[in-house]
Amino acid sequence: DAKTTQPPSMDCAEGRAANLPCNHSTISGNEYVYWYRQIHSQGPQYIIHGLKNNETNEMASLIITEDRKSSTLILPHATLRDTAVYYCIVRVYDMRFGAGTRLTVKP
Amino acid sequence: AAGVIQSPRHLIKEKRETATLKCYPIPRHDTVYWYQQGPGQDPQFLISFYEKMQSDKGSIPDRFSAQQFSDYHSELNMSSLELGDSALYFCASSSLGVIADSYNEQFFGPGTRLTVL
Repeated sequence: DAKTTQPPSMDCAEGRAANLPCNHSTISGNEYVYWYRQIHSQGPQYIIHGLKNNETNEMASLIITEDRKSSTLILPHATLRDTAVYYCIVRVYDMRFGAGTRLTVKP
Repeated sequence: AAGVIQSPRHLIKEKRETATLKCYPIPRHDTVYWYQQGPGQDPQFLISFYEKMQSDKGSIPDRFSAQQFSDYHSELNMSSLELGDSALYFCASSSLGVIADSYNEQFFGPGTRLTVL
């Protein structure tokens, strides 16, 4: 699985969009980009995934660059409950968690 | 909706003892994954099973073993416990995609917190 690089921490004001970047320059053609988050010590929670195209669901949007070497997770209107560690994972099947981004949403 | 069930939720053991963690996947899910998360660390993949066969192996110590049973539940057996085994152990399940390179979202359980004294 390709290696990912994420900033260790980010802050975001409540109600504003949170944009979380991820670099995956060694991604191969059949690897998907997944985003999970972990709130405190709960089990990681699936957010969104994509292969080539941008994706949107009820939780977030995923923007993947045309060369697929990086992506951005967008939480359009961050709330305090979105405070969590966000993991960007590139995989086909089994997941390897790297060091994610600790997002803190502030009032 | 049914979720992944893990038992026990908390477990306290002494050094050199054994422990068995159980995982009950979401109905109709055929794949189970085990992860270990030490204090302040990111989850580390241990091992996975698809249709009762080991499908991938990560950083699982030789003292640990796991299996998936005919009803798809899985057990992680840990022997000769060490202080460093104290961690959260997560189980996740998924339904393997029919197409070889299709995605399969993993659903995680609440975890078992193991404390080794």
